[in-house]
Amino acid sequence: GAGVSQSPRYKVAKRGQDVALRCDPISGHVSLFWYQQALGQGPEFLTYFQNEAQLDKSGLPSDRFFAERPEGSVSTLKIQRTQQEDSAVYLCASRKTSGYDEQFFGPGTRLTVL
Amino acid sequence: GNSVTQMEGPVTLSEEAFLTINCTYTATGYPSLFWYVQYPGEGLQLLLKATKADDKGSNKGFEATYRKETTSFHLEKGSVQVSDSAVYFCALKTSGDKIIFGKGTRLHILP
Repeated sequence: GAGVSQSPRYKVAKRGQDVALRCDPISGHVSLFWYQQALGQGPEFLTYFQNEAQLDKSGLPSDRFFAERPEGSVSTLKIQRTQQEDSAVYLCASRKTSGYDEQFFGPGTRLTVL
Repeated sequence: GNSVTQMEGPVTLSEEAFLTINCTYTATGYPSLFWYVQYPGEGLQLLLKATKADDKGSNKGFEATYRKETTSFHLEKGSVQVSDSAVYFCALKTSGDKIIFGKGTRLHILP
């Protein structure tokens, strides 16, 4: 069965450009998470959706970061006016329900800001 | 706040050696503890988990025991293989939904 997919897998942006990263969760999964993984670091939580509701956005580093999941399935993470410190791998994970179910991770999108 | 500290890598071992990767945590309440693995070119995968004190998680020959008294969750394997070469992340989750990860430990196994 299909796992979590993310696109594009690699993105190079010039500083100041806007980017949009897409996540397709496992079909039927209610919860969706975004994480940011800087080089040599562990993933850090950005935001969490349950269906279309964004329940926690405490990890978004600035108001340049915006995430949406309008129909409770596909999600998009948008970064406006990218800066070099935004360079990282952006991971998406989905979970079947709430609580202690396992989070399944996608392969990530590697963003490089020049 | 909640955090995870794990031993820095890289760790290099010969095939069939004994592996320990140390992990300690700081958390309020009673967290669930996890080890995730990231193989080259692949996404993060859950390796094992433990949800309460003294629980032992195990998978693929790896084990870790939830030690509340020492706030530790060390990863062990009795005989490593070349195919175990990967980055290993210790992590915790409290009553919220987000997972807090350590920085990761890169493991190299030499044939």
